[in-house]
Amino acid sequence: QKEVEQNSGPLSVPEGAIASLNCTYSDRGSQSFFWYRQYSGKSPELIMSIYSNGDKEDGRFTAQLNKASQYVSLLIRDSQPSDSATYLCAVSGGADGLTFGKGTHLIIQP
Amino acid sequence: NAGVMQNPRHLVRRRGQEARLRCSPMKGHSHVYWYRQLPEEGLKFMVYLQKENIIDESGMPKERFSAEFPKEGPSILRIQQVVRGDSAAYFCASSPWEGSYGYTFGSGTRLTVV
Repeated sequence: QKEVEQNSGPLSVPEGAIASLNCTYSDRGSQSFFWYRQYSGKSPELIMSIYSNGDKEDGRFTAQLNKASQYVSLLIRDSQPSDSATYLCAVSGGADGLTFGKGTHLIIQP
Repeated sequence: NAGVMQNPRHLVRRRGQEARLRCSPMKGHSHVYWYRQLPEEGLKFMVYLQKENIIDESGMPKERFSAEFPKEGPSILRIQQVVRGDSAAYFCASSPWEGSYGYTFGSGTRLTVV
């Protein structure tokens, strides 16, 4: 049974600070890793993907992957109130569907 | 180029009725994935289809649920004899190729069973 674990939060971060979201996964054969953002009542939106160990930066977002520790993280710099949402970590081993965590509820305090 | 289209957006069914959820993939995409999101839960994979073929249905409940993706027309997720526990948001995603490369989700169908 593949599992993806996230702290459900809520995680409260002051506006302008760095928000750090973490995720661990159970399947060592996992190859692809994703972060989705989901606003209440809306569909998940892909914000980052990462496939190899290390950091990947895209604007204010940085994804970090450590396959040895089976750990994925997402950093959001200069947090804005519009970043307040639930962030879903997802993992894939190949052609099958994604395995999602339950998400971390992030609140950016103005 | 329209995104993944799902309809209806909201569907209300009485217990015992049938629910049909439709998903039109992005143009040129022949791979469709269905997910279910229960309240306060993460998304759960249900089924992966290519045109006219079910590739992986390991996440589908064994009874009452079925899915198809015909040669022409949208993919259909069908739930027979719905029960209150089927109330959830059902999301569809499409991809132009095999494998999970961070596909885009449709806006979802919110099913309420009363």
